[in-house]
Amino acid sequence: DSGVTQTPKHLITATGQRVTLRCSPRSGDLSVYWYQQSLDQGLQFLIQYYNGEERAKGNILERFSAQQFPDLHSELNLSSLELGDSALYFCASSVGLAGGPSDNEQFFGPGTRLTVL
Amino acid sequence: DAKTTQPTSMDCAEGRAANLPCNHSTISGNEYVYWYRQIHSQGPQYIIHGLKNNETNEMASLIITEDRKSSTLILPHATLRDTAVYYCIVRPRTASKLTFGTGTRLQVTL
Repeated sequence: DSGVTQTPKHLITATGQRVTLRCSPRSGDLSVYWYQQSLDQGLQFLIQYYNGEERAKGNILERFSAQQFPDLHSELNLSSLELGDSALYFCASSVGLAGGPSDNEQFFGPGTRLTVL
Repeated sequence: DAKTTQPTSMDCAEGRAANLPCNHSTISGNEYVYWYRQIHSQGPQYIIHGLKNNETNEMASLIITEDRKSSTLILPHATLRDTAVYYCIVRPRTASKLTFGTGTRLQVTL
């Protein structure tokens, strides 16, 4: 158990819909990362937040957005869903920022499996 | 980010050492080598990381060549529970994201 929790575990929805995935980082971790894992693209970094602020962006579609709340939990919002958005979505957390004195080892949650029909 | 090359798959007998190689010939001086693994469809799990010195922890050892162009992850006594996809990742010191490649699928057998 990494200490990172994600809800829901499974989500089945239809094309065109909007969903919200939730992540609670490990206690004390300030950074939250979102990754997408699909069969054809592998594991891809989407976005990172540190203490409520966006710090890095990867291959995140404009239909997707995220935020980190004052209690440090994070939500990933996926809208206008397409079949190709079906994937495993992982959240990870770390103590600090890359390059900082803190340990930047990322701890991953169990993921949310999204199926778009 | 420097590109990594890993064998697609490897087999290892239970109880033997598993040596997983990784080439990262374009690595630069400020880039770390990280290893993660993913068991089935679980979240990736951190194993170890290093800059230029060899590293060891309770899970594995990491051997980095002197020129830093390749590394080897060693699982000293592989068990069936070590069956997973192992990812070698090169991460710049100033970057946060992890760039995963296709990894090596390690199958540990009886």
